[in-house]
Amino acid sequence: DVKVTQSSRYLVKRTGEKVFLECVQDMDHENMFWYRQDPGLGLRLIYFSYDVKMKEKGDIPEGYSVSREKKERFSLILESASTNQTSMYLCASSFPGRYDNEQFFGPGTRLTVL
Amino acid sequence: SQQGEEDPQALSIQEGENATMNCSYKTSINNLQWYRQNSGRGLVHLILIRSNEREKHSGRLRVTLDTSKKSSSLLITASRAADTASYFCATDGLYGNEKLTFGTGTRLTIIP
Repeated sequence: DVKVTQSSRYLVKRTGEKVFLECVQDMDHENMFWYRQDPGLGLRLIYFSYDVKMKEKGDIPEGYSVSREKKERFSLILESASTNQTSMYLCASSFPGRYDNEQFFGPGTRLTVL
Repeated sequence: SQQGEEDPQALSIQEGENATMNCSYKTSINNLQWYRQNSGRGLVHLILIRSNEREKHSGRLRVTLDTSKKSSSLLITASRAADTASYFCATDGLYGNEKLTFGTGTRLTIIP
């Protein structure tokens, strides 16, 4: 089974801090995704990576950056956390052209910025 | 952008009843997927239906797709308490875009 893990389930940070959210998948998937989930808004794509060191902006990239130095690991970085970045963050991975682009999700990180 | 909209936003039914959720989308698609999310957890893939299919079954799940109306429905038969979760549809775009666009979800509560 595909396993996608995220470094923390819950995280509390202060405004202005630099925040790193880590995601690791163990199935050699090419694609990895970061979403944020807010009530009433569903999942919104922040960034997408289709290969090591390759990335593409999603719908809401402002205030975020990403890093993918190894195939299995995709990091989301909040350069200077703000209260409006309090949210649930979900990481996912998929294998291009396989399983009809089904995405496999991690358990999520609930981030609170004070 | 929010491609999918689920309807209703919330649904409560008695255990054993059937639950129906609907999804509408805006652009042409290659396939449509349904996911489930238990409270505070990640999403889990349930079922996929391709644009050239009209209906698909998997266990107690039945999905329909009407591409002329750009809509899909998910039916869960003989509901169980364990079905309590949020359900999301996701579309991939006409050319099998690897990015999915998720709807806003339906919160389903099964009353024992």
